[in-house]
Amino acid sequence: EAQVTQNPRYLITVTGKKLTVTCSQNMNHEYMSWYRQDPGLGLRQIYYSMNVEVTDKGDVPEGYKVSRKEKRNFPLILESPSPNQTSLYFCASRDGVGGSDTQYFGPGTRLTVL
Amino acid sequence: GENVEQHPSTLSVQEGDSAVIKCTYSDSASNYFPWYKQELGKGPQLIIDIRSNVGEKKDQRIAVTLNKTAKHFSLHITETQPEDSAVYFCAASLANFGNEKLTFGTGTRLTIIP
Repeated sequence: EAQVTQNPRYLITVTGKKLTVTCSQNMNHEYMSWYRQDPGLGLRQIYYSMNVEVTDKGDVPEGYKVSRKEKRNFPLILESPSPNQTSLYFCASRDGVGGSDTQYFGPGTRLTVL
Repeated sequence: GENVEQHPSTLSVQEGDSAVIKCTYSDSASNYFPWYKQELGKGPQLIIDIRSNVGEKKDQRIAVTLNKTAKHFSLHITETQPEDSAVYFCAASLANFGNEKLTFGTGTRLTIIP
């Protein structure tokens, strides 16, 4: 089954404790992206990757890091989480570089930073 | 950058009636407009999309219309059913072989009243 998976699905942590949210897709997609979803703000892009070893900032990259060492995986790293990073996070992927290709979303990771 | 506005933020309709959600975008160069449905506890799922060379697209009970001159597009759901209850997001994308990120609206919570 074609899918994007994220782990963990739920995470409660404390300020300053480094964490990683994993994202994996089994569709051999080149493009992957991270979004955060906050009430009243819709989904905002954090980082994206056009291919292996190619990553760049989205609209709200502050406080986040990513890496793309393999095509299927695109982890989101919070080196020193803060309460304003409490949010619902989605990973997404799509085939190719065409913006009109269907983007597939993972099930989401709900992060709470105390 | 692109800005997408979505209205209304909440919408309640009687089962069997039609629902209409409207979005406007700011960048006249945007050329791809998908609609996503997000059910509770799940990631957004594409339900229909339209490209700028088309004015209308229909898929069973769902249709999308695009007015490029006015820079707005709408989602129409006819003969609504309880399973249509969800949050709906519109988005716009510029396919220029760069990031081509999706810029999302803020969402519409649709409730179908049995």
